[in-house]
Amino acid sequence: GNSVTQMEGPVTLSEEAFLTINCTYTATGYPSLFWYVQYPGEGLQLLLKATKADDKGSNKGFEATYRKETTSFHLEKGSVQVSDSAVYFCALSVAQGGSEKLVFGKGTKLTVNP
Amino acid sequence: DAGVTQSPTHLIKTRGQQVTLRCSPKSGHDTVSWYQQALGQGPQFIFQYYEEEERQRGNFPDRFSGHQFPNYSSELNVNALLLGDSALYLCASSLLRTDEQFFGPGTRLTVL
Repeated sequence: GNSVTQMEGPVTLSEEAFLTINCTYTATGYPSLFWYVQYPGEGLQLLLKATKADDKGSNKGFEATYRKETTSFHLEKGSVQVSDSAVYFCALSVAQGGSEKLVFGKGTKLTVNP
Repeated sequence: DAGVTQSPTHLIKTRGQQVTLRCSPKSGHDTVSWYQQALGQGPQFIFQYYEEEERQRGNFPDRFSGHQFPNYSSELNVNALLLGDSALYLCASSLLRTDEQFFGPGTRLTVL
């Protein structure tokens, strides 16, 4: 089956620290991979995506590389800010019968302190 | 350009009741998916609608049903509510056969 496993949270960092959130996946076929972010009281926002092996997705200083050999898509940021405090979800998209559905990990809560 | 909108924002129901949640997709999108997000968990796929038909369904009982209208908007209906149905219900829109989905702010359902 298709599944996503994320690093357990919560994660607490000081401002300007380096961030890594680990994500590994199991999938049949060739999934697209995503990171979504959810700020308190809001829906999900797409942070970045990668559609094939060795692709790097990047946005707002966040990066993740699609590693097929290790079935991973780890999220990194070199210097976090207080405004990055949110819950981060790793997800994969698998086509089935011509349509796509998202499979999410459980989420990792990040708190950045000043 | 309005993004995905959902109504209502919050809803409180009692066990056994029925509820209808509504979603308007992002302009230009033809496909609507619904997800259930329990507290502290990732979203779980309920089903997806395209051309007014259910295209895919997740592991949810028949109490969960949906509809898509000719203008692409959608409804999620849940019958015989259980306490465990309390969750944030997210609607996402996309174009068929594309992998990028845009989410609405969600409807918070509380079942007492």
